[in-house]
Amino acid sequence: EVQLVESGGGLVQPGRSLRLSCVASGFSFGDFAMHWVRQAPGKGLEWVAGMSWSSGTTSIDYADSVKGRFTISRDSAKRSLFLQMSSLRAEDTALYYCVKDFCSRTTCSSPTYYYMDVWGKGTMVTVSS
Amino acid sequence: QSVLTQPPSVSGAPGQRVTFSCTGSSSNIGAGYDVHWYQQLPGTAPKLLIYGNSNRPSGVPERFSASKSGTSASLAISGLQAEDEADYYCQSYDTSLSGSVFGGGTKLTVL
Repeated sequence: EVQLVESGGGLVQPGRSLRLSCVASGFSFGDFAMHWVRQAPGKGLEWVAGMSWSSGTTSIDYADSVKGRFTISRDSAKRSLFLQMSSLRAEDTALYYCVKDFCSRTTCSSPTYYYMDVWGKGTMVTVSS
Repeated sequence: QSVLTQPPSVSGAPGQRVTFSCTGSSSNIGAGYDVHWYQQLPGTAPKLLIYGNSNRPSGVPERFSASKSGTSASLAISGLQAEDEADYYCQSYDTSLSGSVFGGGTKLTVL
């Protein structure tokens, strides 16, 4: 069964850092583009960051709202995706989803993201003093 | 404010047909990028409903259909059922932002 399980959320003070993790199973994790998508309480979905493959190398993209503060990374050997969040703000409070993209190393060229076919259950991040 | 624009709410009675709109711009839908739709039932993670403008993943009923034209896309549900009550989101790629973009979501109420 294809599955994504997030962890690492919690209550953190403004200005502090937090690292989210996502463990994947049931598919060849290292071959696929992956995303972090968040949803603030009572609000809609917001794409946060993505990692994909472009010409055989890793391509990384961020939403403007988190650029310079968040870092997405992966450890293929551990089948894990990470989101390092720093300089956290109240507006970063949200449920963070780890999401698998349809695009793999060989299926997409430009753009290197397509649709999101597998979602985790999410991990909640609350930024408050 | 979301890059893709969706109406906040839609309602319909059981058995009726409802439609959802998703309006973009020349840097996303209008640039030729495909539109995908997700259904989020209350308290659950989003689920892929339509991909590539009009394709249904395995297991999605034929009652769900979608199309794209110009800078807009639409989702239709026919034979509305109580279990369809959920939030519906459109998603595409934006070349100016170099990333995925979502609509603000439309809440479907089944009367």
